[in-house]
This record gives sequence, C-alpha cells and structure tokens, in this order.
Amino acid sequence: GENVEQHPSTLSVQEGDSAVIKCTYSDSASNYFPWYKQELGKRPQLIIDIRSNVGEKKDQRIAVTLNKTAKHFSLHITETQPEDSAVYFCAASFTGGGNKLTFGTGTQLKVEL
Amino acid sequence: EAQVTQNPRYLITVTGKKLTVTCSQNMNHEYMSWYRQDPGLGLRQIYYSMNVEVTDKGDVPEGYKVSRKEKRNFPLILESPSPNQTSLYFCASSSAGGTIYFGEGSWLTVV
Repeated sequence: GENVEQHPSTLSVQEGDSAVIKCTYSDSASNYFPWYKQELGKRPQLIIDIRSNVGEKKDQRIAVTLNKTAKHFSLHITETQPEDSAVYFCAASFTGGGNKLTFGTGTQLKVEL
Repeated sequence: EAQVTQNPRYLITVTGKKLTVTCSQNMNHEYMSWYRQDPGLGLRQIYYSMNVEVTDKGDVPEGYKVSRKEKRNFPLILESPSPNQTSLYFCASSSAGGTIYFGEGSWLTVV
C-alpha cells in the first residue's frame, strides 16, 4: 500500500518568513495530493490540493509543487502569519480506489512574532 | 450547508461495552471513510465504503466494524472496546475523485 513520509515534524519560523514542508510517497498510482491544516482539537481543513497532471498550484500565500518522477510534493507558505500556526498534514490518494487518503505524520508549524 | 455529522462528539466508556459512533452526510456522496488520529501517527484509515453495501478494510480495521445500509450513513461500531482504541475519530465523505470532507471528530476514551 501507499506510504507517505513528511518532514520536518516541527518547524518554527519568524513572522513574514517562508515555510516549506516536504512529503514523499511510494505508490506511483497515487494521483491526488491534498494538504490539510489542523488546529488543536478541530477537524482537518483542506487548504490546497494538486492532481498528478499538474506540477504546481498556487493560492495566494500558499503553493504546492509536485514532482511525479521523484514522488515528492511540497507545501510552500510565504509571508507567514501567526494564524498560520497549526499542524499541517500532507496526504496521497488514488482517486479510482475509493478516495482513500494516506496521511503523513504531520508538521507542527509555529510562527513566532 | 454541506455537512458531515458525527455523534457523539465526546465519550468515555468502559472496556468491553459495545458502542457505535454515527456518521451522516448530506451531500449524496458515494464514498465514506473512518479515520483515527493518534499523536505522532497522523490519521489512519479504519474502513471505507464506495457505496451502499460496499465496504472494505483500511489500514487499521482490527476491533472495528462498519455498515453502509443507506448512502448517507456510515456508523462505526466497536463491539468490545479496549483502551488502545482511545483516540480521536473522524468520519469523511466525498464524491468519486472529489474533495474529501471531514466531520468534526469524536473523542473516545476507553477506560
């Protein structure tokens, strides 16, 4: 089955700096890669996703890149703000197989003033 | 409003006492899943369903059962809960290839 590795597990940045979180996946059949933000005690919230036919996607301060050959994808947050502090999860899925998400183990992002 | 609703949200129970966590979605989604979340392990899929009467095991199915008698409902059943099933549980639903929506989560403690 699919295996997703996520790094780093914790990340501390100064407000206004950029943050990058990286994930690798093992199953070449995976074709959908969402990123979730989870605040303490709350449900994961989708912040951006990318499908395998696209190499990069951007939404305001958030961007995701995908390298299918190397089987890795990354989340980039620019101009970080304190409200970006949360746990971020990457995930991989093959949409033809029930939309099963395999999650990374999460990155605790702390944006310091 | 698109919703995935789980109940109960919080539960403390004793070892061996059967319990059911309900999940309902109002988006007519074919796909529904249950995940558990544990510190340092992320979210792991327990069971999933691709349609009514179609269910399959995820990565950590031991100790759990599910059923999908109606499209909107996907209950998670713990026949004989044990302390290692203490966790935060999320139900999720989606259309085929669509965005996955999560419920608010159910905190379960087994003592």
